[in-house]
Amino acid sequence: RKEVEQDPGPFNVPEGATVAFNCTYSNSASQSFFWYRQDCRKEPKLLMSVYSSGNEDGRFTAQLNRASQYISLLIRDSKLSDSATYLCVVYNFNKFYFGSGTKLNVKP
Amino acid sequence: ETGVTQSPTHLIKTRGQQVTLRCSSQSGHNTVSWYQQALGQGPQFIFQYYREEENGRGNFPPRFSGLQFPNYSSELNVNALELDDSALYLCASSLAVRGGPYEQYFGPGTRLTVT
Repeated sequence: RKEVEQDPGPFNVPEGATVAFNCTYSNSASQSFFWYRQDCRKEPKLLMSVYSSGNEDGRFTAQLNRASQYISLLIRDSKLSDSATYLCVVYNFNKFYFGSGTKLNVKP
Repeated sequence: ETGVTQSPTHLIKTRGQQVTLRCSSQSGHNTVSWYQQALGQGPQFIFQYYREEENGRGNFPPRFSGLQFPNYSSELNVNALELDDSALYLCASSLAVRGGPYEQYFGPGTRLTVT
């Protein structure tokens, strides 16, 4: 079983839509969680860390559910510029585990 | 811009050769990690260096090795290159503090092609 699993998508949504991604992880002792975005042929960029209480940054909201071992990312009022691959990252015991990413296409 | 730089940008090597990739960390960061990203996949963790010592390693063979220098810059060395080593190699730096969360900032990567 993979350490981190994501739905590869693609998610095709119109501008202004709300879209949500989930990511599951296998190790219940995992310590830290992150969402990154990656544009085509570019490096991953940190979107946000995910805290136990949930956190929000503008149109982006991240949640952690330790009981069910998943994290989520909600994007409200999607913009064309949100089109990218979203990577879920889990950190435990000095190792980072990336999911394969979920592709989002926001269309006019 | 993250302030993390990598060199070279692109590299072509022949199977069996050795390669060294370089990374300069963001100012103030003390930890560097290296990743391999194949096309269409997420980055795969190779290893992490903290205070010049390897303190975490993914499922990569010993022919993948690294160094971290006192100024926190780093090298990734790969010996006996194989065709499957063709990938984007990413370096990420972070500031390790007790309790984490170890937010990482990536360099632009080195694209390695093995023929």
